[in-house]
Amino acid sequence: AQKVTQTQTSISVMEKTTVTMDCVYETQDSSYFLFWYKQTASGEIVFLIRQDSYKKENATVGHYSLNFQKPKSSIGLIITATQIEDSAVYFCAMREAGNTGNYKYVFGAGTRLKVIA
Amino acid sequence: NSKVIQTPRYLVKGQGQKAKMRCIPEKGHPVVFWYQQNKNNEFKFLINFQNQEVLQQIDMTEKRFSAECPSNSPCSLEIQSSEAGDSALYLCASRRLGGRDQDTQYFGPGTRLLVL
Repeated sequence: AQKVTQTQTSISVMEKTTVTMDCVYETQDSSYFLFWYKQTASGEIVFLIRQDSYKKENATVGHYSLNFQKPKSSIGLIITATQIEDSAVYFCAMREAGNTGNYKYVFGAGTRLKVIA
Repeated sequence: NSKVIQTPRYLVKGQGQKAKMRCIPEKGHPVVFWYQQNKNNEFKFLINFQNQEVLQQIDMTEKRFSAECPSNSPCSLEIQSSEAGDSALYLCASRRLGGRDQDTQYFGPGTRLLVL
C-alpha cells in the first residue's frame, strides 16, 4: 500500500529565513505525482506545488520549491524568505495508481510551521 | 487558488440528526472527492464521483452517508444519523480530466461539523 510520511510535527523559524519540510513516500508505481498543500488556521486548504515523478527538474513556484530525491523516495518542500503568513500546516500528498478518473490520494500527517517575527 | 464552493461553513447538529453539506466543484472539474479530516489532521477518503457516478466509497459512507452529484446541481453529502464521532472538517475537492493539471485536486474551504 502507498504511504506518505511527514516526520516533523512542528517547526518554528524566524521570518525571512528558509525552511525545509520533509516528506518520504512509498509506492510501487513507476509513475506517480506528489503534491504539497497548505492548510490555514481557518481550515482552508491551498494547493502549492506538485512534482511529477518522471520530471528530473525540481518544481518551483514563487517562493516554494521542491527537493525531489527519487532514489530516496523523498520530496522536501523549501520555502525561502518566509513570511508570517506562511504560518500554517503543510501536507504532502501522493496520487495513488488506479483507473483513469478513479485515482485516490494519500496524505501525510502534516507539519505545523510557525514563522516568528 | 481554488474555486470550489462548500456550504455551510459550520454545522451544528444533535446526535441522531441528519447533517447535510453541499459542494460546487470548480467549473470543468467532473471528478469530485469528499474527505473527512479529524482533529489530528488525518484525511479519510469518503467517496468520489465522476459526474453523477460514484467511483469509490468506503464502507462507512455506504452505510451511514448519502451522497450524490446530480447534474446541474451542487454535490451533497448527508449523514443520516449524526454521531459524536462524526464531528470533523468535511472537505470537498475536485479535479479535471485531461490536461496537464488533471492530477491536481483543488479543495473547498470545508464544512466544520460539530455533533453535540
